[in-house]
Amino acid sequence: KAGVTQTPRYLIKTRGQQVTLSCSPISGHRSVSWYQQTPGQGLQFLFEYFSETQRNKGNFPGRFSGRQFSNSRSEMNVSTLELGDSALYLCASSLAPFYEQYFGPGTRLTVT
Amino acid sequence: EDQVTQSPEALRLQEGESSSLNCSYTVSGLRGLFWYRQDPGKGPEFLFTLYSAGEEKEKERLKATLTKKESFLHITAPKPEDSATYLCAVQAGIGNQFYFGTGTSLTVIP
Repeated sequence: KAGVTQTPRYLIKTRGQQVTLSCSPISGHRSVSWYQQTPGQGLQFLFEYFSETQRNKGNFPGRFSGRQFSNSRSEMNVSTLELGDSALYLCASSLAPFYEQYFGPGTRLTVT
Repeated sequence: EDQVTQSPEALRLQEGESSSLNCSYTVSGLRGLFWYRQDPGKGPEFLFTLYSAGEEKEKERLKATLTKKESFLHITAPKPEDSATYLCAVQAGIGNQFYFGTGTSLTVIP
């Protein structure tokens, strides 16, 4: 069974630009969560989607948004990028919200 | 405020030297506690889920236990390939959100 895939794997953007990251969950998984990982803060929860609806949202500014499609694939968007947005963005999928999560390899975003 | 704390931050062991990693939490409405392993440049890999105090799970050289306030990940006779960062997460709160600790970086020396 294929794992969680994330694209792109690496991305370099300039301050002020926007970026869209993509996540394809494990087949059959309907819940997708997004996390930001930085050396200082560890894994910080961004948001969770289930059946195309946002169930939970972490404590991030409105520049961070996401959505989920009918095939469970998800995208997250960051607008007006700041230097502090440089991080590894991880997507995790699960069968449903209360099940264990399986992570993708992440997208390494560098903002210059 | 919901919080997850892992200790130690880093641990160096000789091959075969058993030890334990700690994950303590202060959350309301714990639904589950999860252990993950993360290798450099990769996403976390799921290891265990624990739901209630007294529960134990084992996988090869790893054994996870849960009490009302903390969880331990016991590593028996570790090998160099066990070197990784071990993350603990709790699912809790009204929205059953996941809260992660900052991890324990384990190095096993041959």
